[in-house]
Amino acid sequence: AQTVTQSQPEMSVQEAETVTLSCTYDTSESDYYLFWYKQPPSRQMILVIRQEAYKQQNATENRFSVNFQKAAKSFSLKISDSQLGDAAMYFCAYRSAWAGGSQGNLIFGKGTKLSVKP
Amino acid sequence: DVKVTQSSRYLVKRTGEKVFLECVQDMDHENMFWYRQDPGLGLRLIYFSYDVKMKEKGDIPEGYSVSREKKERFSLILESASTNQTSMYLCASSFETGDSSGANVLTFGAGSRLTVL
Repeated sequence: AQTVTQSQPEMSVQEAETVTLSCTYDTSESDYYLFWYKQPPSRQMILVIRQEAYKQQNATENRFSVNFQKAAKSFSLKISDSQLGDAAMYFCAYRSAWAGGSQGNLIFGKGTKLSVKP
Repeated sequence: DVKVTQSSRYLVKRTGEKVFLECVQDMDHENMFWYRQDPGLGLRLIYFSYDVKMKEKGDIPEGYSVSREKKERFSLILESASTNQTSMYLCASSFETGDSSGANVLTFGAGSRLTVL
């Protein structure tokens, strides 16, 4: 069974600085998807970024980028120029590439709470 | 934008009560999910559904049941609420392409925070 581990329960960053959130996963599959979701306080969870395992290039979305190391099974999220609105819980998630059945469900890590200091 | 609406943001129920948590999505998504979110435990899948009247157990189905009579609506039912079911419940939906294109990003509702006394 696949597992996702976020080893940092809490992180803190100064506004305008850069922070990296760690995520490792365990799988025997070669084709899968990885996600970072953001859950702001009292607000709904939204997708931050997605990475297909077959792609070598790291995904980027504006100030958010990932460092995907497939051999190491590592998928870290880098937030550049941190803003107060980045304060949230961040969840790393894994999904098998197989489309149907329970293998298609997301497996979430336990989350990292990011605080942004003004 | 896809919207996933959870009918109740906050609920307080008593032990033994039957509880219904309703979730409606407006973009014709095939897949719908119910998660439970607890501090330090992340999100755990309770039940999911890939089509109307279809349901499959997730990781923690005990004490819960679900109903999907219409494609847009997925209900979570606590037949007899207990204090250990006090939690945040998240509904989500996704479009399933049937291949591995990855068009299956989850869209979440705002959550329903249930307190069982």
